[in-house]
Amino acid sequence: GAVVSQHPSWVICKSGTSVKIECRSLDFQATTMFWYRQFPKQSLMLMATSNEGSKATYEQGVEKDKFLINHASLTLSTLTVTSAHPEDSSFYICSARDLASQPQHFGDGTRLSIL
Amino acid sequence: QQQVKQSPQSLIVQKGGISIINCAYENTAFDYFPWYQQFPGKGPALLIAIRPDVSEKKEGRFTISFNKSAKQFSLHIMDSQPGDSATYFCAASTASGTYKYIFGTGTRLKVLA
Repeated sequence: GAVVSQHPSWVICKSGTSVKIECRSLDFQATTMFWYRQFPKQSLMLMATSNEGSKATYEQGVEKDKFLINHASLTLSTLTVTSAHPEDSSFYICSARDLASQPQHFGDGTRLSIL
Repeated sequence: QQQVKQSPQSLIVQKGGISIINCAYENTAFDYFPWYQQFPGKGPALLIAIRPDVSEKKEGRFTISFNKSAKQFSLHIMDSQPGDSATYFCAASTASGTYKYIFGTGTRLKVLA
């Protein structure tokens, strides 16, 4: 149980385009979802927290207009990187938790490469 | 006060040995301490977690030891295997509010065959 699916797993696109990443909880209702960014050989850096039906809460230093988060249902959250540039290249990981338990369950990440 | 300090940064252990990774925290409001295992190119997977009312928790070859007064907790991997070679992250969280994690910096474990 507690499976989180993230799609796509790898995306390469040109500078200036927007990229959408989906995060789905497959077998539980995710009241809260989290989006992280991870650089090579580093820890996970929390970007934002989203609750279903509410606006996301962004961590300090994360541009809200750059990283658009939508959590429209209890099983789906999306992260859109708008007007992506090479410095946005990174490994993006989502996680989800349900109301009844505390652990966050992580997706397998999306490797984003901006040319 | 929100930091979680993790050590060592890297660890090499012989097959069959015990791997020990340590974490320390400052915020006494933390009350949930999970450990995650991450393989290259994958997301972290929950290994084991503990709450402050318990001093030790064991699941298979993985054991968490928790010292509330010292504000420290550690992961012990018994009979370490080459398949355990991965990066391990400790984290701390509160059981209220956003439930967000504060992650440690990670430990890269290599188990030699």
